Amino acid sequence: RKEVEQDPGPFNVPEGATVAFNCTYSNSASQSFFWYRQDCRKEPKLLMSVYSSGNEDGRFTAQLNRASQYISLLIRDSKLSDSATYLCVVNRGRQLTFGSGTQLTVLP
Amino acid sequence: GAVVSQHPSWVICKSGTSVKIECRSLDFQATTMFWYRQFPKQSLMLMATSNEGSKATYEQGVEKDKFLINHASLTLSTLTVTSAHPEDSSFYICSARGGGADTQYFGPGTRLTVL
Repeated sequence: RKEVEQDPGPFNVPEGATVAFNCTYSNSASQSFFWYRQDCRKEPKLLMSVYSSGNEDGRFTAQLNRASQYISLLIRDSKLSDSATYLCVVNRGRQLTFGSGTQLTVLP
Repeated sequence: GAVVSQHPSWVICKSGTSVKIECRSLDFQATTMFWYRQFPKQSLMLMATSNEGSKATYEQGVEKDKFLINHASLTLSTLTVTSAHPEDSSFYICSARGGGADTQYFGPGTRLTVL
């Protein structure tokens, strides 16, 4: 079983739509959690950290459920520029473990 | 934010040759650097972790004699792919972390194609 699992998609949504991504992790000792964004042929870039209390950054909302070992990302009012691969990332012992990513395409 | 550079950004080489990739932290001292590899449509896989001045720690399944890592200074780490073969063709990404901080800053990646 992979340490971090994501639905690979692809998710194709119209502009303005709301889309949600889910992720599960297997190691209960994981300490911190992130969503990264990766554009084609580019390095991953930190989108936001994820906290148990839930956190919001503009149109993006992330949520962590430690009991279920589940992480989510909600994108509201999707823009064309949101098209990318979204990586769920878990930090354990100062090493990052990446999920395989969920591909999002926002259509005009 | 912190900046990490990689050089070269892409390289094409013949099978059997060795390729060196440099990773530099430009505005901070990187006590730890990480090397990742990403095949098409797959996630980043950690290859090795290197701390300045000590030997790299390789992940299971990564051959240390094939992927030579040197972290000789607080701003530079190098990855040398020795006797490269077509199956080594991949996107190699480094990241760097400063002392005491948890945030990793990623380089722009190096795309290696072995013919």
